[in-house]
Amino acid sequence: DSGVTQTPKHLITATGQRVTLRCSPRSGDLSVYWYQQSLDQGLQFLIQYYNGEERAKGNILERFSAQQFPDLHSELNLSSLELGDSALYFCASSASAGGPYEQYFGPGTRLTVT
Amino acid sequence: SQQGEEDPQALSIQEGENATMNCSYKTSINNLQWYRQNSGRGLVHLILIRSNEREKHSGRLRVTLDTSKKSSSLLITASRAADTASYFCATDARGGSYIPTFGRGTSLIVHP
Repeated sequence: DSGVTQTPKHLITATGQRVTLRCSPRSGDLSVYWYQQSLDQGLQFLIQYYNGEERAKGNILERFSAQQFPDLHSELNLSSLELGDSALYFCASSASAGGPYEQYFGPGTRLTVT
Repeated sequence: SQQGEEDPQALSIQEGENATMNCSYKTSINNLQWYRQNSGRGLVHLILIRSNEREKHSGRLRVTLDTSKKSSSLLITASRAADTASYFCATDARGGSYIPTFGRGTSLIVHP
């Protein structure tokens, strides 16, 4: 158990809908990362937050947004969902923003868009 | 886009044998990490090797790094069925933000 929790575990929704994925980092970790894993694209970095502030951005679509709250949990919002958004979404946390620090991954949320 | 690429894509061995996976990358790096992922689960950090290190050990794991060839290898000795998983290398580019970029992984199956 990494100490990172993600909810929900599974999500099935229709195209055009909006969903929110939630992540609680390991106790004491200030940095949260979001990744998307799909068969064709592999594991893609989406975005990083550190202590409530956006720190780095990767291949995140404009339809996706994230935030980190004062209690350090983070939410990833996916809107206008398309079939291609079906993937595993992982949250990871680390102690700090700079590196190198190993990342602790949550169990993931499997999103299926029908 | 992936920075690191693992090779082979898939590896099937018998319990007790050694497993070697390779990772090649394109640009200079600060650090290289190896992670393991059991099917459909989150990634688990295995080992981090810095660009000024050449070899690191952790239990049955041995990682080497050759910055001149921009490559790394992960050796698992005396493999067990429980080692069955996908293994990913992750690099963070020199001058970058220490965000690791993951390869597509090597799928390892260890037969009992």
